[in-house]
This record gives sequence, structure tokens and C-alpha cells, in this order.
Amino acid sequence: QKEVEQNSGPLSVPEGAIASLNCTYSDRGSQSFFWYRQYSGKSPELIMSIYSNGDKEDGRFTAQLNKASQYVSLLIRDSQPSDSATYLCAGDSSYKLIFGSGTRLLVRP
Amino acid sequence: NAGVMQNPRHLVRRRGQEARLRCSPMKGHSHVYWYRQLPEEGLKFMVYLQKENIIDESGMPKERFSAEFPKEGPSILRIQQVVRGDSAAYFCASSGTSGELLDTGELFFGEGSRLTVL
Repeated sequence: QKEVEQNSGPLSVPEGAIASLNCTYSDRGSQSFFWYRQYSGKSPELIMSIYSNGDKEDGRFTAQLNKASQYVSLLIRDSQPSDSATYLCAGDSSYKLIFGSGTRLLVRP
Repeated sequence: NAGVMQNPRHLVRRRGQEARLRCSPMKGHSHVYWYRQLPEEGLKFMVYLQKENIIDESGMPKERFSAEFPKEGPSILRIQQVVRGDSAAYFCASSGTSGELLDTGELFFGEGSRLTVL
């Protein structure tokens, strides 16, 4: 059973701080990894994708991938209250995405 | 708006009834995925379909659940003889091609259908 694991949280950080979200995966065949954000009662939306080892930055977001350790992370700099949501990590497996259970992030004003 | 359309948004059924959830993919997309999300949990893959074909149904329960994506019309997820444990949000997502999915990871999600079984 291919799995993606995340801590459920909640992860609570003050406004302006860096939020660090982590994810591990079991399928060594996975090549592509994604972070989706889901607000309560809403549908998931893609915020970052990463395919190669190392870091990928997009605005306040940085995704990190370490295939040897089977580890993916998302850093959110200058966290804002509007970033409060559940963050879902996903990896590809046989032409579909397998999602983790999500980490709930709470940014305190 | 040519996004992924799901209906109904909310559905209430009594135990033993049937639930039918519909999904029209984004215009031009021919790949449909169904996911189930229980309260406070992540998205669980159920089934991946292309027009008139089930590609991967490894996440579908063996009984009572079925899915189709006909040549014409929306994809349908059908749950027969619903039980309380079927209460969940069912999300449909679409992509243009499976290759595109791997390149962008962009599954375009509908707003979900929330099933409540009394």
C-alpha cells in the first residue's frame, strides 16, 4: 500500500513566522510531489509542485524534496492569518495522486 | 466558468438508499478522478476513469460502489445501499491527460458532494 504520511497538527505559528510542514512517502517510484491547500469546507488547490531533489521557491513558499530520505517539506515565510488552512502533501503513483491526511496550520494574529 | 462541476453539492440519504454523484470535468479534460474525504482526514483515492474506461479502481470498495464515465455526459459515482460510514465529502477532479498530470500535478477539483447518511 503506497502511503504519504503527515502530522495532523495543528501547527500553530504567530503571524510573520516561518511555518514548516513535513511529509514522508513510501513509494520509491514516485517522481513528482505536490502541496495542496484546502480551506475548511472547500476543495483543494495546488500551491506548489516539485520534481527534483533540492529546493523550489515561489513567492513566500519553498518546497524541498529529498528522494533518498523520501521526504518532502513546505516552508511558508512571513505567515499570514489567511494561510490558516489544511495543507495536503501528495505524490504520484501509477498516474494518480496519493494524498497524505493533511496538516492543519493555524497562524495567530 | 468552465471548471469541474459536481452535483448535488449536498445529498441526504437514509440507510439502504442509493446515492448518485455527478461530475462534469473541466472543458477539454478527458481524465476523471474520484476521491473521498472523511471528516478531519485526507483525500482517499477511489477511482480513475477515462471516457468509457475504468483505468484504476484500486481504491473502490469491493461492494456497493461503482463508477462510470460514458462517452456522453458526466461521470457518475454510484453508491448502493448506503450505510452511515459512507457519509463523507466526495471530490471529483479532472486533468487533460495523465501525462499532463505528471507534469503539472494540477488536478482541478470540483467543490465536492457532501453525502450524509441518516
